[in-house]
Amino acid sequence: EAGVTQFPSHSVIEKGQTVTLRCDPISGHDNLYWYRRVMGKEIKFLLHFVKESKQDESGMPNNRFLAERTGGTYSTLKVQPAELEDSGVYFCASSQVGGETQYFGPGTRLLVL
Amino acid sequence: GNSVTQMEGPVTLSEEAFLTINCTYTATGYPSLFWYVQYPGEGLQLLLKATKADDKGSNKGFEATYRKETTSFHLEKGSVQVSDSAVYFCALTLKDSNYQLIWGAGTKLIIKP
Repeated sequence: EAGVTQFPSHSVIEKGQTVTLRCDPISGHDNLYWYRRVMGKEIKFLLHFVKESKQDESGMPNNRFLAERTGGTYSTLKVQPAELEDSGVYFCASSQVGGETQYFGPGTRLLVL
Repeated sequence: GNSVTQMEGPVTLSEEAFLTINCTYTATGYPSLFWYVQYPGEGLQLLLKATKADDKGSNKGFEATYRKETTSFHLEKGSVQVSDSAVYFCALTLKDSNYQLIWGAGTKLIIKP
């Protein structure tokens, strides 16, 4: 069974540009979470999808961040326009319905210059 | 609010030494507790978990016991190896929060041969 995959693994962009991160969860996992770790600080929750619906987006830092999960399969996280403080590692995780164990992808390392 | 506090690193030990990484939590309700590990260049992996008081999670020689009376979930290993060098994260989830993970800051472990 394939694990959670994320693309790209690394992204270097300039301030003001747009970046789109993608996450493919484990097949059959209805729950999909986005987290990020900025500047070596704590990992912080961004948002949670159940299938295609946003269950909780309380962790999204501002309206420059837009997440989608079309068809309840893969998810994208777009940052537009990117700022320096957006640099960090963005993790995606998925879990089964009612499952509390989340399985993580390798992360996307974003550097905004 | 809900939070996790873990000892700051880096923690540097010699091979075969005994390891303890402290983790305490604050939570409303009855959380499940987790240790995740991030090896260099890799993503987050679940190391072990415990879902109720007095449960002991174990994996790869690591152990942690859910102590409700001290609100702790300390990670231990009797004899560490160089390959255990990684960053270790303590985390909790609550059903009422849709199992969103709340993280400690992470502890970098360095094992010297």
